[in-house]
Amino acid sequence: ETGVTQTPRHLVMGMTNKKSLKCEQHLGHNAMYWYKQSAKKPLELMFVYNFKEQTENNSVPSRFSPECPNSSHLFLHLHTLQPEDSALYLCASSPFGTENTEAFFGQGTRLTVV
Amino acid sequence: RKEVEQDPGPFNVPEGATVAFNCTYSNSASQSFFWYRQDCRKEPKLLMSVYSSGNEDGRFTAQLNRASQYISLLIRDSKLSDSATYLCVVREGNDMRFGAGTRLTVKP
Repeated sequence: ETGVTQTPRHLVMGMTNKKSLKCEQHLGHNAMYWYKQSAKKPLELMFVYNFKEQTENNSVPSRFSPECPNSSHLFLHLHTLQPEDSALYLCASSPFGTENTEAFFGQGTRLTVV
Repeated sequence: RKEVEQDPGPFNVPEGATVAFNCTYSNSASQSFFWYRQDCRKEPKLLMSVYSSGNEDGRFTAQLNRASQYISLLIRDSKLSDSATYLCVVREGNDMRFGAGTRLTVKP
């Protein structure tokens, strides 16, 4: 148990559906991240939030919409996805602005778009 | 050029072998460095941080060379349970960049 919880663990959705991924941490961290990991590809940083403010959008298509209502919760809203968006979506958190502190990951949501 | 680059492997080694992985990074302003381990279909987990003076944790030794912008991981006396993908991570502020990972398989 890493202290970062993601739900759901598995999700199958059609291209016309709207769904949301949820991430929750109670580690007192102020930075939260969304990563995408496709098969046989490296982890791709999607979004970074510091103190609820988005500080990075790594050229992610608008069909992915993040939301950070507070420092403990992070959402990724999904709509009109494509089959190539099927991947493992990982949430992570870390203390803000502190060197030599690692990120802690949730177990991920395995998304399949059909 | 990729920001964090690793040899993808796979590395297939017998039990007891010593194996080394290297990772190069492009951003000279990077501040912190880590090695993560990722098992199949699981999330990445921290293996060890990498300090400027180099550091050791049991069978694992990490080194950092800022001048050449690379970090390394040495695993001695490999165990079957070491089989995993090893991810090099470079941090600048809150921006954490991952390498593609190096796949290690330790065989009996």
